[in-house]
Parts: sequence; structure tokens; C-alpha cells
Amino acid sequence: GNSVTQMEGPVTLSEEAFLTINCTYTATGYPSLFWYVQYPGEGLQLLLKATKADDKGSNKGFEATYRKETTSFHLEKGSVQVSDSAVYFCALDTGRRALTFGSGTRLQVQP
Amino acid sequence: EAGVAQSPRYKIIEKRQSVAFWCNPISGHATLYWYQQILGQGPKLLIQFQNNGVVDDSQLPKDRFSAERLKGVDSTLKIQPAKLEDSAVYLCASSPQLAGEVWNEQFFGPGTRLTVL
Repeated sequence: GNSVTQMEGPVTLSEEAFLTINCTYTATGYPSLFWYVQYPGEGLQLLLKATKADDKGSNKGFEATYRKETTSFHLEKGSVQVSDSAVYFCALDTGRRALTFGSGTRLQVQP
Repeated sequence: EAGVAQSPRYKIIEKRQSVAFWCNPISGHATLYWYQQILGQGPKLLIQFQNNGVVDDSQLPKDRFSAERLKGVDSTLKIQPAKLEDSAVYLCASSPQLAGEVWNEQFFGPGTRLTVL
């Protein structure tokens, strides 16, 4: 079956540090890949997506590249802010169906 | 554009009691999902509707959980009787049905936090 594995958190960084959150997946076929973010007290929001191999999704300074050869979709940001503190979920979709989520990674950014 | 609405936001019940959650998706969205998110885990699909038909309910514990989406708009998820392990956040999401797309963005509601004592 489909599955997503994320690095465990919490990840604690100082403001302006570089962020990487690892995500690898197992899926049949060619899934679309997503990063969702959950800010404190808010619902899940789509952060970025990639629908085919070598695509790079980007939004709000975050980037992730769909690597088919390593089945990975790592999230990166060059300089984090306190406002980026949230829980980040990697997810996949094998064809307009329900999402399969990873377990989430909590990011804490300190001023 | 109004988002996905859910109610109640919080519910505390005793085990073996019944509980129901309501979801109103974004207007015009054909697909509706219910997910269960246990503390420290990612959301897990319970049931997916396309209009008022069930697409996938393979992970719904049908001996105690039921869901309906009458008239293809809002939806109700029920648990009867509840167990301690049902304590979780229940998320509703909806997505449009866009022709020619390989994916459809899912829009999530704020969730209902259920505590079973």
C-alpha cells in the first residue's frame, strides 16, 4: 500500500536558519506529492505541490523537488522565521483520491 | 469564499455514548472526505464521498462508525458507541472535481476534537 515517512520532530531552529524536513514515500504508480502546514489553532493548508518527477513546488519561500529515483520530496527553506512555527505534513495522492499523510513534523523557530 | 465548516469544535463524551459531527463543504465541491487524526499522527481517511455516493470507506470501522451525505452537500459522521481509542480530531475536507486534472486540492475544515472518557 501507499505510505509516507517523515523525519520525527520537533525540529528547533533559530530565526534565519536553513530548514530541511525529510520525506520519503512508497506508492503504486506515479503519485502527486504535497506539503501541508498546520499553524497553531488553524486547519490544514496546502503549502506546495508537485505532480510529476523533477517538478519543484514552491510557496512562501519553501521548496520541494519530486525525486522519483530516491522516492523523496524533502521540504526546504533558506531562512526560517518565527511565523513558520507549525506542524508540516508530507502527503501523496495516487489519482484524485484521498491523501495519504506522514505523521507530521513540528517546527519550532526561536527568535 | 467561505471555507469548510464543521461543528461542534469540541466534544467530550463518556465511552459507549453516541456522538455526531457535521460538515458543510465549500459550495460546489463534489468530493467530501472525513479523516481521523489521532494525536501525534497524520490524518487517516475514514470515508470519501463523490456527490452523495461513497467512493471509499475501506478504513471506516463500520461496526460503530457511519456517515452520510444526503443531497450531495453537507455530511454527518456518527460514532455509536464510542470507545476510548476514538479520541481524536475529526477533519472534514472537500475538493472540486476539475476535468483534466491529475490532482484536486483538498480544503480542510478546522476539525472537531473528540475526547472519550
